[in-house]
Amino acid sequence: DGGITQSPKYLFRKEGQNVTLSCEQNLNHDAMYWYRQDPGQGLRLIYYSQIVNDFQKGDIAEGYSVSREKKESFPLTVTSAQKNPTAFYLCASETGWGTEAFFGQGTRLTVV
Amino acid sequence: AQSVAQPEDQVNVAEGNPLTVKCTYSVSGNPYLFWYVQYPNRGLQFLLKYITGDNLVKGSYGFEAEFNKSQTSFHLKKPSALVSDSALYFCAVRDTNFGNEKLTFGTGTRLTIIP
Repeated sequence: DGGITQSPKYLFRKEGQNVTLSCEQNLNHDAMYWYRQDPGQGLRLIYYSQIVNDFQKGDIAEGYSVSREKKESFPLTVTSAQKNPTAFYLCASETGWGTEAFFGQGTRLTVV
Repeated sequence: AQSVAQPEDQVNVAEGNPLTVKCTYSVSGNPYLFWYVQYPNRGLQFLLKYITGDNLVKGSYGFEAEFNKSQTSFHLKKPSALVSDSALYFCAVRDTNFGNEKLTFGTGTRLTIIP
């Protein structure tokens, strides 16, 4: 089945550690996105990539980094510079502007 | 800059009654508009979209939405609510002007259907 897979579903991080969230899609989509979801704030864009080996900062990129070495994969690293990383992280992909985005099931990151 | 507003954080509807979840938007060009639904601890699922053409758009699970350009609105509707419709609903917009590739989401409306 085609789809977009995020792993892990739950992740716990100690303060000062970097962690990487995985996002893989087999939909042959060019564009991929990372969003952060906090209660009452909707979805905020962290990074997006329209093509392999290229990505742009979204609205809240500070403290995060990404790579896009393969079309299928768009991992997100939450660095120790991110001051409040506890949140629900969603990855999405799409083929183009007029098409709907497909979302993964999300990763809930908790700093302990 | 593009933006989208969902003025109601919470909407309660009795089962069997019609439901409406409101969305207004602001863009500099023409909008692409989307509705998504989210169940607890899950990703977003696509419901419907407006790109061009007929202002009334029909989508999944019996939902529909009407694009109103003069009022810059894209309200989500369903004639008869089900308890299973209870979820968090997001409206999203993309400006078709070149350079505005990002999809902007509203803050979400929690819909509760009361049995």
